Amino acid sequence: QLQLQGSGPGLVKPSETLSLTCTVSGGSISSSSSYWGWIRQSPGKGLEWIGSVYYSGTTYYNPSLKSRVTISVDTSKNQFSLKLSSVTAADTAVFYCARHLMGSWIYYFDYWGQGTLVTVSS
Amino acid sequence: QSALTQPPSASGSPGQSVTISCTGTSSDVGGYNYVSWYQQHPGKAPKLMIYEVSERPSGVPDRFSGSKSGNTASLTVSGLQAEDEADYYCSSYAGSNALEFGGGTKLTVL
Repeated sequence: QLQLQGSGPGLVKPSETLSLTCTVSGGSISSSSSYWGWIRQSPGKGLEWIGSVYYSGTTYYNPSLKSRVTISVDTSKNQFSLKLSSVTAADTAVFYCARHLMGSWIYYFDYWGQGTLVTVSS
Repeated sequence: QSALTQPPSASGSPGQSVTISCTGTSSDVGGYNYVSWYQQHPGKAPKLMIYEVSERPSGVPDRFSGSKSGNTASLTVSGLQAEDEADYYCSSYAGSNALEFGGGTKLTVL
């Protein structure tokens, strides 16, 4: 059974860079046709797609966040990561890592991590 | 403000049917058949319930169905059960390698 586990600091200071890692177990991140993504959910709010990555390193970003986001993949560790720079309180959210439904490019997510709460505060 | 518009709430009694709408534009919902729906219980990660407008992943009850007309997609839950009470989010491909989500609908089983 595929499992995704997000990890990273739960508290980040304003103007700094938020860094999270998602570790994939029960399957290979290099599996063909599998894309991997990050989604966030601000407290009491809806979901927002941040971006997605293929094991080859090809990335796709939400245009509204593109200038601050970097998503990368480390196939040797079966992990992919998120960096969000110049954070403000508005970036406080639960961050989910997820896998896109195989064969569906980046349209749908079928496996999700448990979510990591990141608070931006001094 | 979310790109896709959903009603904030919906409700129905056990056994009844309820439909949740998701309105976009011709650049997202209306332009592609890449609409999906997610169910999220409090404190849990979202779960894929419908993809490609009307397809159900393995394990999702056939009480859940999806459709689309023009710029509006819909999720119908038939034979409502207590465990269906959750937040529901729609999502659509928006072109230019981008995904959008709706603001979510809280479904209450009365």
